[in-house]
Amino acid sequence: QVQLVQSGAEVKKPGVSVKVSCKASGYTFANYGITWVRQAPGQGLEWLGWISVKNGITDFAQKFQGRLSMTTDTSTGTAYMELRNLRSDDTAVYYCARLGSGVVSGCDYWGQGTLLTVSS
Amino acid sequence: DIQMTQSPSSLSASVGDSVTITCRASQRVTRYLNWYQQKAGKAPKLLIYAAYRLQSGVPSRFSGSVSGTEFTLTITRLQPDDVATYYCQQSYSSPQTFGQGTNLEIK
Repeated sequence: QVQLVQSGAEVKKPGVSVKVSCKASGYTFANYGITWVRQAPGQGLEWLGWISVKNGITDFAQKFQGRLSMTTDTSTGTAYMELRNLRSDDTAVYYCARLGSGVVSGCDYWGQGTLLTVSS
Repeated sequence: DIQMTQSPSSLSASVGDSVTITCRASQRVTRYLNWYQQKAGKAPKLLIYAAYRLQSGVPSRFSGSVSGTEFTLTITRLQPDDVATYYCQQSYSSPQTFGQGTNLEIK
């Protein structure tokens, strides 16, 4: 069955970077994109961006430009999200999700979430 | 950015009732609209994609519709397990944006 398993919780100080992993299994990794979404404590969902596993094309929300990277390793079926120059308002649960294969599709499988706490 | 205005922000209904949640887009998004269910402490779950297409495995009590830039999620025969927060999401243009969520409670 399709599974996305994310790396564990992180505690970081302001100004440093974090890299969250998302290991996929149960499907052909290269055939689907990976979306990253975050949720601050008690808040709604926020889209960070998307990466095509097939060709590495990315699309990030403008507010994260310059601080955000997304990569994939097809040899291990793992996607990565790196956020740099962390601020306290980056404290959130970060989710990876598989983007469905259709032209018009949603995120059909999600990781369990990774809690990032940014605090001095 | 396309703003997604979701209403109501919360609602309470009884088991067996039908409820409707509305999401209005500030610009045209055609059918690039998804609905998710998020239970407390869990990851979101895709219910509806492309405005009205039911995701595999989701009960047919859930349905979506669209009229222009107004999208609706309808849940019929409400069950206790439907307690959750529901979000709409437009995937028409970047940045993809979510509605602010609707908290559904059972009376």
